[in-house]
Amino acid sequence: EPEVTQTPSHQVTQMGQEVILRCVPISNHLYFYWYRQILGQKVEFLVSFYNNEISEKSEIFDDQFSVERPDGSNFTLKIRSTKLEDSAMYFCASSDWASGSPYEQYFGPGTRLTVT
Amino acid sequence: DQQVKQNSPSLSVQEGRISILNCDYTNSMFDYFLWYKKYPAEGPTFLISISSIKDKNEDGRFTVFLNKSAKHLSLHIVPSQPGDSAVYFCAASASNFGNEKLTFGTGTRLTIIP
Repeated sequence: EPEVTQTPSHQVTQMGQEVILRCVPISNHLYFYWYRQILGQKVEFLVSFYNNEISEKSEIFDDQFSVERPDGSNFTLKIRSTKLEDSAMYFCASSDWASGSPYEQYFGPGTRLTVT
Repeated sequence: DQQVKQNSPSLSVQEGRISILNCDYTNSMFDYFLWYKKYPAEGPTFLISISSIKDKNEDGRFTVFLNKSAKHLSLHIVPSQPGDSAVYFCAASASNFGNEKLTFGTGTRLTIIP
Protein backbone atom coordinates (compact mmCIF):
# COMPACT_ATOMS: atom_id res chain seq x y z
CA GLU A 1 0.00 0.00 0.00
CA PRO A 2 1.41 3.44 -0.93
CA GLU A 3 2.55 5.53 2.00
CA VAL A 4 3.98 8.91 2.86
CA THR A 5 7.61 8.77 3.97
CA GLN A 6 9.57 11.35 5.94
CA THR A 7 13.25 11.84 6.67
CA PRO A 8 14.94 12.12 9.03
CA SER A 9 12.95 10.46 11.77
CA HIS A 10 14.71 12.59 14.39
CA GLN A 11 16.64 15.81 13.95
CA VAL A 12 18.54 17.57 16.69
CA THR A 13 19.70 21.10 15.96
CA GLN A 14 20.98 24.13 17.78
CA MET A 15 18.92 27.28 18.12
CA GLY A 16 19.43 29.57 15.13
CA GLN A 17 20.39 26.79 12.74
CA GLU A 18 18.52 25.99 9.55
CA VAL A 19 16.77 22.64 9.16
CA ILE A 20 15.14 20.97 6.20
CA LEU A 21 12.55 18.28 6.77
CA ARG A 22 11.87 16.02 3.84
CA CYS A 23 8.77 14.19 2.73
CA VAL A 24 7.87 11.94 -0.17
CA PRO A 25 4.10 12.08 -0.60
CA ILE A 26 2.04 9.33 -2.20
CA SER A 27 2.96 9.45 -5.87
CA ASN A 28 -0.35 10.39 -7.50
CA HIS A 29 -1.41 12.87 -4.84
CA LEU A 30 -1.64 16.56 -5.66
CA TYR A 31 -2.40 18.17 -2.28
CA PHE A 32 0.39 18.44 0.26
CA TYR A 33 0.40 19.59 3.86
CA TRP A 34 2.64 20.11 6.85
CA TYR A 35 1.33 19.81 10.38
CA ARG A 36 3.09 19.80 13.71
CA GLN A 37 2.38 18.46 17.15
CA ILE A 38 4.10 19.92 20.17
CA LEU A 39 4.42 17.33 22.92
CA GLY A 40 1.14 16.89 24.75
CA GLN A 41 -0.76 19.21 22.41
CA LYS A 42 -2.98 18.71 19.42
CA VAL A 43 -1.93 18.36 15.80
CA GLU A 44 -1.79 21.85 14.23
CA PHE A 45 -1.98 22.85 10.59
CA LEU A 46 1.03 24.72 9.24
CA VAL A 47 0.67 24.99 5.48
CA SER A 48 -1.08 23.53 2.46
CA PHE A 49 0.42 23.33 -1.01
CA TYR A 50 -1.31 22.70 -4.31
CA ASN A 51 -0.42 23.31 -7.93
CA ASN A 52 3.11 24.39 -6.95
CA GLU A 53 2.05 27.14 -4.62
CA ILE A 54 0.97 27.68 -1.05
CA SER A 55 -2.84 27.49 -0.70
CA GLU A 56 -2.99 28.59 2.90
CA LYS A 57 -0.68 29.02 5.84
CA SER A 58 -1.37 29.34 9.53
CA GLU A 59 -0.13 32.10 11.80
CA ILE A 60 2.57 29.70 12.97
CA PHE A 61 4.01 29.61 9.44
CA ASP A 62 5.92 32.89 9.58
CA ASP A 63 8.83 34.15 7.47
CA GLN A 64 11.15 31.61 9.06
CA PHE A 65 9.27 28.78 7.36
CA SER A 66 9.18 27.86 3.70
CA VAL A 67 8.05 24.89 1.62
CA GLU A 68 9.22 23.60 -1.69
CA ARG A 69 8.51 20.82 -4.12
CA PRO A 70 11.90 20.71 -5.80
CA ASP A 71 11.10 17.78 -8.08
CA GLY A 72 8.22 15.47 -8.86
CA SER A 73 8.49 13.46 -5.67
CA ASN A 74 9.86 15.44 -2.72
CA PHE A 75 8.13 18.04 -0.56
CA THR A 76 10.27 19.91 1.94
CA LEU A 77 9.76 22.16 4.93
CA LYS A 78 12.59 24.54 5.77
CA ILE A 79 12.97 26.42 9.02
CA ARG A 80 15.56 29.13 8.49
CA SER A 81 16.54 29.96 12.04
CA THR A 82 15.17 27.49 14.55
CA LYS A 83 13.85 28.53 17.94
CA LEU A 84 13.39 26.42 21.06
CA GLU A 85 9.61 26.54 20.56
CA ASP A 86 9.98 24.89 17.15
CA SER A 87 10.68 21.62 18.95
CA ALA A 88 7.82 19.36 17.90
CA MET A 89 6.82 16.40 15.78
CA TYR A 90 6.37 17.52 12.18
CA PHE A 91 3.99 15.54 9.98
CA CYS A 92 3.73 15.66 6.23
CA ALA A 93 0.42 14.64 4.64
CA SER A 94 -0.91 14.24 1.13
CA SER A 95 -4.27 13.66 -0.48
CA ASP A 96 -6.09 13.61 -3.77
CA TRP A 97 -9.56 13.09 -5.21
CA ALA A 98 -8.40 9.81 -6.73
CA SER A 99 -7.93 8.38 -3.22
CA GLY A 100 -11.51 9.19 -2.28
CA SER A 101 -11.40 12.75 -1.12
CA PRO A 102 -8.79 15.49 -0.72
CA TYR A 103 -9.99 15.74 2.87
CA GLU A 104 -8.80 12.20 3.57
CA GLN A 105 -5.19 13.03 4.16
CA TYR A 106 -2.55 10.37 4.57
CA PHE A 107 0.14 11.19 7.06
CA GLY A 108 3.79 10.24 7.22
CA PRO A 109 5.41 8.87 10.39
CA GLY A 110 6.74 12.30 11.34
CA THR A 111 10.09 13.93 12.05
CA ARG A 112 10.85 14.72 15.65
CA LEU A 113 12.66 18.05 15.72
CA THR A 114 14.57 18.90 18.88
CA VAL A 115 16.01 22.39 19.15
CA THR A 116 18.61 22.84 21.89
CA ASP B 1 -8.97 28.54 19.45
CA GLN B 2 -10.79 25.28 20.17
CA GLN B 3 -12.96 24.86 17.13
CA VAL B 4 -12.86 21.08 17.57
CA LYS B 5 -13.13 19.66 21.06
CA GLN B 6 -12.77 16.21 22.50
CA ASN B 7 -13.77 16.55 26.12
CA SER B 8 -12.73 13.09 27.25
CA PRO B 9 -8.95 12.78 27.37
CA SER B 10 -9.18 9.06 28.06
CA LEU B 11 -11.60 6.14 27.86
CA SER B 12 -11.29 2.51 28.99
CA VAL B 13 -13.50 -0.18 27.50
CA GLN B 14 -13.70 -3.92 27.98
CA GLU B 15 -12.71 -6.01 24.98
CA GLY B 16 -15.76 -6.99 22.94
CA ARG B 17 -17.85 -4.05 24.16
CA ILE B 18 -18.68 -0.87 22.29
CA SER B 19 -16.32 2.12 22.40
CA ILE B 20 -17.92 5.53 21.88
CA LEU B 21 -15.70 8.51 21.30
CA ASN B 22 -17.21 11.98 21.15
CA CYS B 23 -16.30 15.22 19.45
CA ASP B 24 -17.89 18.68 19.36
CA TYR B 25 -17.20 21.53 16.99
CA THR B 26 -18.06 25.20 16.94
CA ASN B 27 -17.32 26.32 13.39
CA SER B 28 -20.48 26.02 11.28
CA MET B 29 -18.38 26.22 8.10
CA PHE B 30 -17.02 22.72 8.72
CA ASP B 31 -18.59 20.32 6.26
CA TYR B 32 -16.34 17.28 6.38
CA PHE B 33 -15.32 15.33 9.43
CA LEU B 34 -12.76 12.63 9.96
CA TRP B 35 -11.44 10.31 12.63
CA TYR B 36 -7.79 9.43 12.86
CA LYS B 37 -6.07 6.87 15.03
CA LYS B 38 -2.56 7.44 16.29
CA TYR B 39 -0.05 5.14 17.89
CA PRO B 40 3.00 6.54 19.74
CA ALA B 41 5.84 7.64 17.43
CA GLU B 42 3.67 7.20 14.34
CA GLY B 43 1.68 9.56 12.17
CA PRO B 44 -2.11 9.74 12.37
CA THR B 45 -3.85 7.00 10.38
CA PHE B 46 -7.10 7.82 8.62
CA LEU B 47 -10.00 5.72 9.89
CA ILE B 48 -13.32 6.98 8.63
CA SER B 49 -14.96 10.18 7.47
CA ILE B 50 -18.36 11.73 6.97
CA SER B 51 -19.67 14.55 4.86
CA SER B 52 -22.13 17.02 6.34
CA ILE B 53 -24.80 15.83 3.90
CA LYS B 54 -24.93 12.52 5.77
CA ASP B 55 -25.67 11.64 9.36
CA LYS B 56 -24.03 8.22 9.45
CA ASN B 57 -21.20 6.39 7.77
CA GLU B 58 -20.18 2.84 8.48
CA ASP B 59 -17.03 0.91 7.65
CA GLY B 60 -16.71 -2.51 9.22
CA ARG B 61 -16.47 -2.15 12.99
CA PHE B 62 -16.36 1.64 12.77
CA THR B 63 -19.39 3.92 12.50
CA VAL B 64 -19.37 7.70 12.62
CA PHE B 65 -22.52 9.63 13.49
CA LEU B 66 -22.98 13.31 12.77
CA ASN B 67 -25.55 15.55 14.47
CA LYS B 68 -25.26 18.87 12.68
CA SER B 69 -27.79 20.70 14.80
CA ALA B 70 -25.83 19.81 17.93
CA LYS B 71 -22.47 20.24 16.17
CA HIS B 72 -21.53 16.84 17.51
CA LEU B 73 -20.04 13.70 16.07
CA SER B 74 -19.18 10.37 17.54
CA LEU B 75 -17.18 7.30 16.59
CA HIS B 76 -18.50 3.90 17.55
CA ILE B 77 -16.20 0.88 17.54
CA VAL B 78 -17.90 -2.46 17.97
CA PRO B 79 -16.70 -4.90 19.03
CA SER B 80 -13.65 -3.27 20.59
CA GLN B 81 -10.37 -5.16 20.20
CA PRO B 82 -7.03 -4.79 22.01
CA GLY B 83 -5.45 -3.43 18.81
CA ASP B 84 -7.87 -0.49 18.99
CA SER B 85 -5.92 0.90 21.94
CA ALA B 86 -4.54 4.20 20.63
CA VAL B 87 -5.21 7.94 20.66
CA TYR B 88 -8.17 8.92 18.50
CA PHE B 89 -8.36 12.36 16.94
CA CYS B 90 -11.43 14.00 15.54
CA ALA B 91 -10.70 16.40 12.66
CA ALA B 92 -12.81 18.78 10.60
CA SER B 93 -12.47 20.70 7.37
CA ALA B 94 -14.33 23.41 5.47
CA SER B 95 -14.63 23.16 1.68
CA ASN B 96 -11.92 25.24 0.08
CA PHE B 97 -10.63 23.88 -3.18
CA GLY B 98 -6.91 23.28 -3.02
CA ASN B 99 -6.77 23.70 0.72
CA GLU B 100 -8.59 21.09 2.68
CA LYS B 101 -6.70 21.81 5.88
CA LEU B 102 -7.74 19.80 8.89
CA THR B 103 -8.49 21.21 12.32
CA PHE B 104 -7.85 18.57 14.95
CA GLY B 105 -9.23 17.98 18.41
CA THR B 106 -6.98 17.23 21.37
CA GLY B 107 -7.51 13.48 21.16
CA THR B 108 -8.95 10.73 23.34
CA ARG B 109 -6.74 7.91 24.53
CA LEU B 110 -8.69 4.67 24.19
CA THR B 111 -7.58 1.67 26.22
CA ILE B 112 -9.17 -1.69 25.53
CA ILE B 113 -9.03 -3.96 28.55
CA PRO B 114 -8.62 -7.66 27.66
